[in-house]
Amino acid sequence: EAGVTQFPSHSVIEKGQTVTLRCDPISGHDNLYWYRRVMGKEIKFLLHFVKESKQDESGMPNNRFLAERTGGTYSTLKVQPAELEDSGVYFCASSQAGFGGYEQYFGPGTRLTVT
Amino acid sequence: AQSVTQLGSHVSVSEGALVLLRCNYSSSVPPYLFWYVQYPNQGLQLLLKYTTGATLVKGINGFEAEFKKSETSFHLTKPSAHMSDAAEYFCAVSFGGYQKVTFGTGTKLQVIP
Repeated sequence: EAGVTQFPSHSVIEKGQTVTLRCDPISGHDNLYWYRRVMGKEIKFLLHFVKESKQDESGMPNNRFLAERTGGTYSTLKVQPAELEDSGVYFCASSQAGFGGYEQYFGPGTRLTVT
Repeated sequence: AQSVTQLGSHVSVSEGALVLLRCNYSSSVPPYLFWYVQYPNQGLQLLLKYTTGATLVKGINGFEAEFKKSETSFHLTKPSAHMSDAAEYFCAVSFGGYQKVTFGTGTKLQVIP
């Protein structure tokens, strides 16, 4: 069974540009989460999808971040326009519905550098 | 609100020595507790978890953790460190179900030969 995959693994962009990160969850997982780790700080929750619906987006930092989940499958996280403080590692995680939903499986992360 | 405190951002142990990584949490309701590990250039991997039942939980690679409600702690231990254990370890908590996970700041473990 394939794990959670994320693309790209690294992205370097200039301030003001747009970047789109992609996450493919484990097949059949209804729950999809985005997290971010800024250098030297803790991993912080951004938002949670259940299928294609946003269940909790309380962690989204501002309206420069837009997350979508097409058809309840893969998800994208767009940052527009990017700022220096957006640099960090963006993790995606997924979990199944039902009793096992508490166990989140994480992807390898996308390292975003904004210069 | 839930929070997680990991004592020590860097811990060094000698190969073969006991590994002890400390984690305390704050939660108004019984939490689900996790330890994740991130090896260099890899993603987060679940090491072990506590949901309900037995308070001593065993994970992969010889690690275990004990949930102590009275101390609000979930410390991670391994009797004998291996060089391959060098990684960053994260304690985390959730309210269960499909809720978001709240992470500690991480502890980097160095194993000295």
